[in-house]
Amino acid sequence: DAKTTQPTSMDCAEGRAANLPCNHSTISGNEYVYWYRQIHSQGPQYIIHGLKNNETNEMASLIITEDRKSSTLILPHATLRDTAVYYCIATSGAGSYQLTFGKGTKLSVIP
Amino acid sequence: NAGVTQTPKFQVLKTGQSMTLQCAQDMNHEYMSWYRQDPGMGLRLIHYSVGAGITDQGEVPNGYNVSRSTTEDFPLRLLSAAPSQTSVYFCASSPREGPSPYEQYFGPGTRLTVT
Repeated sequence: DAKTTQPTSMDCAEGRAANLPCNHSTISGNEYVYWYRQIHSQGPQYIIHGLKNNETNEMASLIITEDRKSSTLILPHATLRDTAVYYCIATSGAGSYQLTFGKGTKLSVIP
Repeated sequence: NAGVTQTPKFQVLKTGQSMTLQCAQDMNHEYMSWYRQDPGMGLRLIHYSVGAGITDQGEVPNGYNVSRSTTEDFPLRLLSAAPSQTSVYFCASSPREGPSPYEQYFGPGTRLTVT
């Protein structure tokens, strides 16, 4: 799996868009980018994933650069409940379905 | 659906004791796994299973055993607890096939302290 690099922490004002960057410059062609988040003391929660194209669901949008070396997770209208650690994972899995979690980005949504 | 359930929520053990952490899912998922999370760290994979009767080691398997006799259950056994196993343990499951195999569903966690 490709190594990912994320900022340690970020702040976002409540109601504003939160843009969380992730660098995965060594990603290979068959590796997907997955985003999970972990709200304090809870189990991680799946947010979104993508391969090449930008993706959107009810929780967030994922923007992947054309060269696939980086991506941005966008929470369009951050709320206090979005305060969490966000993990960016690049994986092909090769059948084992393992997820390699780094330290992620601690997002603090501020009133 | 209850999703992924884990018991107990909290446990305190003395060094050398053994115990089993329970994990169950009611989504008929083939893939199940166990992670541990130490303070300030990301999750590390302990063991995983791609179906009943099939298990394999993850990144940090030493000191733990697993078995998978049914699709629903995937217990994690600590053979002889050590203080280094103080951690939060998460169980996860996902369908083995489908468009999003890494959309894993996590349980609420078991917080284990070994004294």
